[in-house]
Amino acid sequence: DAGVTQSPTHLIKTRGQQVTLRCSPISGHKSVSWYQQVLGQGPQFIFQYYEKEERGRGNFPDRFSARQFPNYSSELNVNALLLGDSALYLCASSGGPSSFYGYTFGSGTRLTVV
Amino acid sequence: AQSVTQLDSHVSVSEGTPVLLRCNYSSSYSPSLFWYVQHPNKGLQLLLKYTSAATLVKGINGFEAEFKKSETSFHLTKPSAHMSDAAEYFCVVSPSPDQAGTALIFGKGTTLSVSS
Repeated sequence: DAGVTQSPTHLIKTRGQQVTLRCSPISGHKSVSWYQQVLGQGPQFIFQYYEKEERGRGNFPDRFSARQFPNYSSELNVNALLLGDSALYLCASSGGPSSFYGYTFGSGTRLTVV
Repeated sequence: AQSVTQLDSHVSVSEGTPVLLRCNYSSSYSPSLFWYVQHPNKGLQLLLKYTSAATLVKGINGFEAEFKKSETSFHLTKPSAHMSDAAEYFCVVSPSPDQAGTALIFGKGTTLSVSS
């Protein structure tokens, strides 16, 4: 079975641009969460979607948005990129809406903003 | 509020010697606790999890952790380190199972170095 897949694996953007990251959860999983991991730190929660509805949001500005599609895949959008948005963006999936039983993470998208 | 403190930012061991990575947690609920490992330029892999069943949890690659409520600790151990264990390790807490939209809360990580 395929795990959590993310695309692209790497990308470079210029300040002020917009970026879209994509995630496909494990088959049968209905919850997708997004985390940002800045170099040298632990991941920080951005969003959780379950059954196509936003169920949780972390402390990130409105430049960050996401959505979940009927097939449970998800996109994370970041507008007006700043240098500080450079990070590894991780997608995680689970069967239910709670993080209590843990998540399966993808390999991440490495975003570099120049 | 929930939080996690990893007591060592860097641990160095020799191959074949025991590994101990320390983690203390704070939670107003009965939490679930996890250890994840991250190899360089890779995503996160789940090593083991505690979800209120047995307090001694066995994970992959010979790792185990013991949940000690009285000490609010969840230390990760391995009897004999292997070179392939060199990586970043994260202790993670999740709050109550009844809350949707809850986030995993990560510690700052412990870098494990293994020398030959």
